Amino acid sequence: EVQVVQSGAEVKRPGESLKISCKGSGYSFTTHWIGWVRQRPGKGLEWMGIYYPGDSETKYSPSFQGQVTFSGDTSINTAYLQWSSLRASDTATYFCARLGPTGSPDYFADWGQGSLLIVS
Amino acid sequence: EIVMTQSPATLSVSPGETATLSCRASQGLGSNLAWYQQKPGQAPRLLIYGAVTRAAGIPARFSGSASGTEFTLTINSLQPEDFAVYYCQQYFNWWTFGQGTKVELK
Repeated sequence: EVQVVQSGAEVKRPGESLKISCKGSGYSFTTHWIGWVRQRPGKGLEWMGIYYPGDSETKYSPSFQGQVTFSGDTSINTAYLQWSSLRASDTATYFCARLGPTGSPDYFADWGQGSLLIVS
Repeated sequence: EIVMTQSPATLSVSPGETATLSCRASQGLGSNLAWYQQKPGQAPRLLIYGAVTRAAGIPARFSGSASGTEFTLTINSLQPEDFAVYYCQQYFNWWTFGQGTKVELK
C-alpha cells in the first residue's frame, strides 16, 4: 500500500527557519516525483513545485522560486520542504504528494495528510 | 501560465441528483487534466486523471469528459459523502489548479 506521511504541525516565529518532511512508502521512492502544494486558511490549492528523488532535480513555481527549497534523503525515503526565514504570510497547510505515473511528473496521485504551519 | 477557471463557485445539489462541474483552460491541454476532491480538514484525493480516467478505488458515479479547452466532472446520483470541494488541475505546462467548486447540500 502506498503511503505518504508528513511531519506534524509547527508554530514558528517570523525569521526562523524550518524544514518539514514527507516520507513515502509502499512504492519506489526514487522513481516518482514528489510535489508540494500550499493551502492558505480557507483558500484553494497552490502548486509550489516538484522534486525528483532519483537525481534531486527540482522545478519551482515562479511564485515560490527563491522562497523555499526542496531536498530529500533517499536512504530514508523522505523529501523535505525548507524555509530559511519564515514570514507570517507562510502560514498555511502544506501538502506533499507522490506524482504519477512512474518516472513522469503528471498528476498528484497520493497525498500526505498535510503539515500545518503557523508563523506568528 | 495556463489559467484554469472553474464554474460554478458553489453548486447546491440534493442527494441522488447529478452534479456537473466545469473547468475551462486558457489554452489547449490535450488530456493533461486531473480532478481532485477535498473534504474539510482532509488532504485532496485524486479522482480523475488524463481528463477521463478514474483513479483506483473511485466509484463509477464519478466521470470526466473533455471538449477542447472545456473539461467536465460529472457526479451521478450524489451520495452524502460527495459533498466537498472539487479542484481541476492541468499538467500540460507546469501545473496549475482551478479555484475550486464547492458542492453543497441543497
